[in-house]
Amino acid sequence: VQLVQSGAEVKKPGESLKISCKGSGYLFSIYWIAWVRQMPGKGLEWMGVIYPADSDARYSPSFQGQVTISADKSTNTASLQWSSLKASDTAMYYCARFGSHGSIDYFDYWGQGTLVTVSS
Amino acid sequence: QLMLTQSPSASASLGASVRLTCTLSSGHRYNAIAWHQQQPGKGPRYLMKLNSDGTHTKGDGIPDRFSGSSSGAERYLSISSLQSDDEADYYCQTWGSGSYVVFGGGTKLTVL
Repeated sequence: VQLVQSGAEVKKPGESLKISCKGSGYLFSIYWIAWVRQMPGKGLEWMGVIYPADSDARYSPSFQGQVTISADKSTNTASLQWSSLKASDTAMYYCARFGSHGSIDYFDYWGQGTLVTVSS
Repeated sequence: QLMLTQSPSASASLGASVRLTCTLSSGHRYNAIAWHQQQPGKGPRYLMKLNSDGTHTKGDGIPDRFSGSSSGAERYLSISSLQSDDEADYYCQTWGSGSYVVFGGGTKLTVL
């Protein structure tokens, strides 16, 4: 099992961005995937989850309306996107797979992380 | 409300043992959790899923020095024969029907 994330991004406030997470080594569509934020020097925060089989997405109240999570089961890829970035979106973003197919439970595999820097 | 509480820091000497604690909020003492390790400058790594009865399922390649146990609402991660690269942040994580995913605040382990 591997989750490989897209590379680091440097953006300006107000710009849009989409980062990705490609799964391999397992049946991608039947395992929920989550996105997790880690701001500099801080802990882990759950942003949202998606079930690739039907693109059912659910969001943490803290991130609802701020980001969009999507998935393409034909390319085994989950994505996280912003329509208008803020400086406060500067963080490392991780995707992670839940350990039981069809369930939201514990993370058993993590991506390597994508660093997003938003600065004018 | 489902919450996890961890001490911010812990320390132990090289070669010694340490036990880290993660406490479930009231009413959730039967929840399973997972432990994750984050070494400096790296992404998190899954260590184990830990059930309320103390049984646990470790991730690929996690050495026997890492073990888990439970007592009531507390979930423990024990590390024996501490090595320098055990110095890391350790996060517990759980899940619930209303809360989906919950993280503890993390414990920074210093190996002296």
